[in-house]
Amino acid sequence: DAGITQSPRHKVTETGTPVTLRCHQTENHRYMYWYRQDPGHGLRLIHYSYGVKDTDKGEVSDGYSVSRSKTEDFLLTLESATSSQTSVYFCAIADGTGVHIQYFGAGTRLSVL
Amino acid sequence: ELKVEQNPLFLSMQEGKNYTIYCNYSTTSDRLYWYRQDPGKSLESLFVLLSNGAVKQEGRLMASLDTKARLSTLHITAAVHDLSATYFCAVDGGGADGLTFGKGTHLIIQP
Repeated sequence: DAGITQSPRHKVTETGTPVTLRCHQTENHRYMYWYRQDPGHGLRLIHYSYGVKDTDKGEVSDGYSVSRSKTEDFLLTLESATSSQTSVYFCAIADGTGVHIQYFGAGTRLSVL
Repeated sequence: ELKVEQNPLFLSMQEGKNYTIYCNYSTTSDRLYWYRQDPGKSLESLFVLLSNGAVKQEGRLMASLDTKARLSTLHITAAVHDLSATYFCAVDGGGADGLTFGKGTHLIIQP
């Protein structure tokens, strides 16, 4: 998975609790992304980062926040998890060159009960 | 707003047959990508198409891009069971602010 580690890989939590997902890369790529995958929707962009402390919102950012204090780590936080946030979350990285292929991590399966 | 539509969303076919998956997108794009996803797995990059008329081939898969029609195709030649997977096209709307994905084509190839 192109030097990308997502943790945890699986998590079950209760509605209203905070949850943080971590994406760690060893490729020193500038760009990092968080997507969620739901049946019938493909993948949808939540937030992305174009450098340390530089982040921006994606299509489905409501209820999520992110932080990037180091090049290698991109954290996704659900401040107060809801059942609608049950999903598979994928992190992706890209180096910012002309081709700009995004490489994906293994995913985190999150269930909010 | 950039929209990406794939069709068909589900395809069951026999080994040895040929078929094409279509990907339409709504606005001008710099780059178009095809990914493969096996059940419960991550996404694997297959092709990147950068310019009008671009054609890329890998084994039994061939992807092409027509930027004027805003259409990309993924053609499968003489399908084999190992190609069973979900295939996504994704479009970069410009810059590096993330991809917009189609809903995916779930492909089943039966012996």
